[in-house]
Amino acid sequence: IAGITQAPTSQILAAGRRMTLRCTQDMRHNAMYWYRQDLGLGLRLIHYSNTAGTTGKGEVPDGYSVSRANTDDFPLTLASAVPSQTSVYFCASKGSGRNNEQFFGPGTRLTVL
Amino acid sequence: ILNVEQSPQSLHVQEGDSTNFTCSFPSSNFYALHWYRWETAKSPEALFVMTLNGDEKKKGRISATLNTKEGYSYLYIKGSQPEDSATYLCAYRNTGNQFYFGTGTSLTVIP
Repeated sequence: IAGITQAPTSQILAAGRRMTLRCTQDMRHNAMYWYRQDLGLGLRLIHYSNTAGTTGKGEVPDGYSVSRANTDDFPLTLASAVPSQTSVYFCASKGSGRNNEQFFGPGTRLTVL
Repeated sequence: ILNVEQSPQSLHVQEGDSTNFTCSFPSSNFYALHWYRWETAKSPEALFVMTLNGDEKKKGRISATLNTKEGYSYLYIKGSQPEDSATYLCAYRNTGNQFYFGTGTSLTVIP
């Protein structure tokens, strides 16, 4: 693994189903983030974690939950998917330090029908 | 709702032209300003992280400036090339380490 990986690459899901999007990084970054990308709205922060064991809510957290059991993994769960959660989801990570860059994963395209 | 605004929304320039875009952000709780380059079907790629008022950073033909007191940053591209065509995103990071993105400036460089 090099950098950040996300799985699955894409998924079609029936409304009401539970879904977990996976994100793993191998850079030992403390901070990790989940964003959704929607046309005309840009990237919006869903949840974040500044270090393993802690999480926080972003701009659009409703309907999503996260956990950060260790440094490398930051899964995003949709407990009961709704069509408005159709989006492209990006995971990102960043090392500690004010001048560190944020690195993005390749994205997961999710369609909820 | 925290507003990060970018202008223009889109831009078409001729190859060889120089161009610039603006990012405006809140000056309160400011920690850093990030610029990204985002090509279609790829992930955003970091260009600059700017933290201090008056910062100027440069990478090849691309440079950026930062004014934290008035809450704006400029991104400049000198001598635009077709490969510069992309969406350029800025993101405001607050002291809580949360990022707020603008909607981007879409640049098309015409050969």
